Amino acid sequence: KQEVTQIPAALSVPEGENLVLNCSFTDSAIYNLQWFRQDPGKGLTSLLLIQSSQREQTSGRLNASLDKSSGRSTLYIAASQPGDSATYLCAVDNYGQNFVFGPGTRLSVLP
Amino acid sequence: GAGVSQTPSNKVTEKGKYVELRCDPISGHTALYWYRQSLGQGPEFLIYFQGTGAADDSGLPNDRFFAVRPEGSVSTLKIQRTERGDSAVYLCASSSDRVGAEAFFGQGTRLTVV
Repeated sequence: KQEVTQIPAALSVPEGENLVLNCSFTDSAIYNLQWFRQDPGKGLTSLLLIQSSQREQTSGRLNASLDKSSGRSTLYIAASQPGDSATYLCAVDNYGQNFVFGPGTRLSVLP
Repeated sequence: GAGVSQTPSNKVTEKGKYVELRCDPISGHTALYWYRQSLGQGPEFLIYFQGTGAADDSGLPNDRFFAVRPEGSVSTLKIQRTERGDSAVYLCASSSDRVGAEAFFGQGTRLTVV
């Protein structure tokens, strides 16, 4: 059974710092991996989608990498801003198990 | 519509009552998913539809939970004899195709059973 973990559980950084969020999964048989952002009391906003054949995807200040063989993905946020404060979730689209989510990393960017 | 729409946004019900939660997916999306999210946790899979049929309902916790998608568009999640443990945010997502497609989520329905 696919299991997804995220480290750290929470992170607090001053504005302007570059940071890395980590996601690990136990079963490498995945279609893709998707990173989401969730603001308090809100739904999920898709940030980046990496297909299983890809190594990374970039959108603005965000860069996500995927190492399927080792079961790892990282989300890199450059020049963090207070508006980046949210919970970041990774999810793997697993063969036969649909999307399996990690517990999330709660990010606070301090002005 | 432009995105996935869920109604109501909030629902408070008494223990033992029946509730229905509605999801309007992005127009043309054939795949539809229901997830449940408890406070401080990631979403947990409930059921997945491909078109009108439930392709995978292995995440439904028990037979009090049921979902339909009769015309392959709007879906309704139905919960009978609600219990306090059913309190959570229920999220709906849709995607254009089953294999490798990006999933788009709605804002969720916050269900509180008192």
